[in-house]
Amino acid sequence: SQQGEEDPQALSIQEGENATMNCSYKTSINNLQWYRQNSGRGLVHLILIRSNEREKHSGRLRVTLDTSKKSSSLLITASRAADTASYFCATLPDSWGKLQFGAGTQVVVTP
Amino acid sequence: DTEVTQTPKHLVMGMTNKKSLKCEQHMGHRAMYWYKQKAKKPPELMFVYSYEKLSINESVPSRFSPECPNSSLLNLHLHALQPEDSALYLCASSQEDRGQPQHFGDGTRLSIL
Repeated sequence: SQQGEEDPQALSIQEGENATMNCSYKTSINNLQWYRQNSGRGLVHLILIRSNEREKHSGRLRVTLDTSKKSSSLLITASRAADTASYFCATLPDSWGKLQFGAGTQVVVTP
Repeated sequence: DTEVTQTPKHLVMGMTNKKSLKCEQHMGHRAMYWYKQKAKKPPELMFVYSYEKLSINESVPSRFSPECPNSSLLNLHLHALQPEDSALYLCASSQEDRGQPQHFGDGTRLSIL
């Protein structure tokens, strides 16, 4: 079953703009991960944020986590055409078990 | 290039055929996963192997049979599949089955005629 819900489902922006997508989840988590999937490829891990962390950065990516609201956001700054992909959040429940993926956000960056 | 290699990239088979999907990683990871992904949907977990033992089977029909011959290899044996089994099958690995980041292969695109 799906734990994460992502918003928006789709996002279209121009190169250079920032892209923000959100992920909400239902149960307490151990960590939350973001993945990217380019068309016809496998998923690529972007960033992992633990439940005791509030913000993490990796290059042009910024992830925030608000455990009180059970939500996370992924910000891509200065987007490029190569950022065109589907982005999935995935949560690991604090009872362990399996990683649960959200429905994903499709991002299109036009030159 | 991905560090998890899946073969074949594409497979077309009839409902009576038997075929196998293969996955290989050389990162020393001790957890390996099979996922099924339909178009525009998230991946759905099928099986997890931890230290070469099956630890999770998500109630997958018996027409899918996983095998982990050694710590680097993972197979998925297919038999008598249905048209609704057509999907992208993804293999992934992680250091252990403890919530670490997963490394995915590019998948096998399976079509059932």
